[in-house]
Amino acid sequence: GENVEQHPSTLSVQEGDSAVIKCTYSDSASNYFPWYKQELGKGPQLIIDIRSNVGEKKDQRIAVTLNKTAKHFSLHITETQPEDSAVYFCAPLMYSGGGADGLTFGKGTHLIIQP
Amino acid sequence: DAGVIQSPRHEVTEMGQEVTLRCKPISGHDYLFWYRQTMMRGLELLIYFNNNVPIDDSGMPEDRFSAKMPNASFSTLKIQPSEPRDSAVYFCASSLALGLNSPLHFGNGTRLTVT
Repeated sequence: GENVEQHPSTLSVQEGDSAVIKCTYSDSASNYFPWYKQELGKGPQLIIDIRSNVGEKKDQRIAVTLNKTAKHFSLHITETQPEDSAVYFCAPLMYSGGGADGLTFGKGTHLIIQP
Repeated sequence: DAGVIQSPRHEVTEMGQEVTLRCKPISGHDYLFWYRQTMMRGLELLIYFNNNVPIDDSGMPEDRFSAKMPNASFSTLKIQPSEPRDSAVYFCASSLALGLNSPLHFGNGTRLTVT
């Protein structure tokens, strides 16, 4: 099965600074790369995703970059705000027409925004 | 849409008792997933269903765990007998399909404490 690792496990940044979280995976056949955000007392929610044929995707202050050769993808958050404090998970997926392998989540990164 | 609904939000039970967790997926979603979250192991996929049929239950830890989906709008996860090591947050998620444009939608979880 897919081996997924996230770094760092905890990240503390000053409000207004940028944050970067990296996810490495083992299955070179993975072709879908989502990031989820989990706030306290809630389930994870998708915030951004990218397909394997795209290198980068942006959505306002959030971006995801993909390096398929090195088998890692990263979440970038710029101009961080207090509401960005949460746990972030990556979940690379190998999807084919017949189904999916993986559905494995990383261990999560606890992002703390310092005021 | 009300999203994925799980009940109860909290469950405290004694070792040896039967526990039943409930989930109502988003209407129209063909896939339903049960995950378990702990500090040590993160988010683990237990089982998932497609059109009410279990597809992969390789993540179910032991025979004490069982899951059913009697219809498209309801699923249960049962633990019998429960043990202290089953204490965790259990999440249900649903998705339209299993693929590139079908993220998982999570409920807010059931926090289970077995004493």
